[in-house]
Amino acid sequence: DGGITQSPKYLFRKEGQNVTLSCEQNLNHDAMYWYRQDPGQGLRLIYYSHIVNDFQKGDIAEGYSVSREKKESFPLTVTSAQKNPTAFYHCASSDRGNSPLHFGNGTRLTVT
Amino acid sequence: GENVEQHPSTLSVQEGDSAVIKCTYSDSASNYFPWYKQELGKGPQLIIDIRSNVGEKKDQRIAVTLNKTAKHFSLHITETQPEDSAVYFCAASRKSGGGADGLTFGKGTHLIIQP
Repeated sequence: DGGITQSPKYLFRKEGQNVTLSCEQNLNHDAMYWYRQDPGQGLRLIYYSHIVNDFQKGDIAEGYSVSREKKESFPLTVTSAQKNPTAFYHCASSDRGNSPLHFGNGTRLTVT
Repeated sequence: GENVEQHPSTLSVQEGDSAVIKCTYSDSASNYFPWYKQELGKGPQLIIDIRSNVGEKKDQRIAVTLNKTAKHFSLHITETQPEDSAVYFCAASRKSGGGADGLTFGKGTHLIIQP
């Protein structure tokens, strides 16, 4: 089955540590995205990439970094500079920038 | 930038009744309006979308209506079933062409289907 795999489902870190969230897709999609979801809030765009080795900041990029070395992979690093990192993080992809999003099942990050 | 308001935040209906979720948007240039369903522990899944050149779109028990003049769009679910219980998100694309990277999401509606 084609889809998006995010791992792990739950992640715990101590404050001050960087942490990398994995996202892999086998849909052969060009575009990939990272969204943050807080309780009672909509999805907010962190970073997106339309092509390998290129990515753009979204609405809330501060404290995050990404890389796009392979078409199928778009890892997100939550750095110690992110003031409120505890949240659900969703990775998504689309065939092109103007086609519907396909989401993974998310990673719940808890920082204490 | 675009602002999307979604109401209500929680909606409880009896099984078999209809449910309506409403969204308004601020950017008159927005022209793509998808709806996503998020079940517990899963990522959002696209259930229906509409572009601005269409006023209504239907897919079995689900329909979406768009009023560009008033800048609002609505999701209608008829003959609700227990499996319809989920959080529903509306979104609007503020970029011409409806790019996924131009999407602004509403805050979500928790739909509860009472048996």
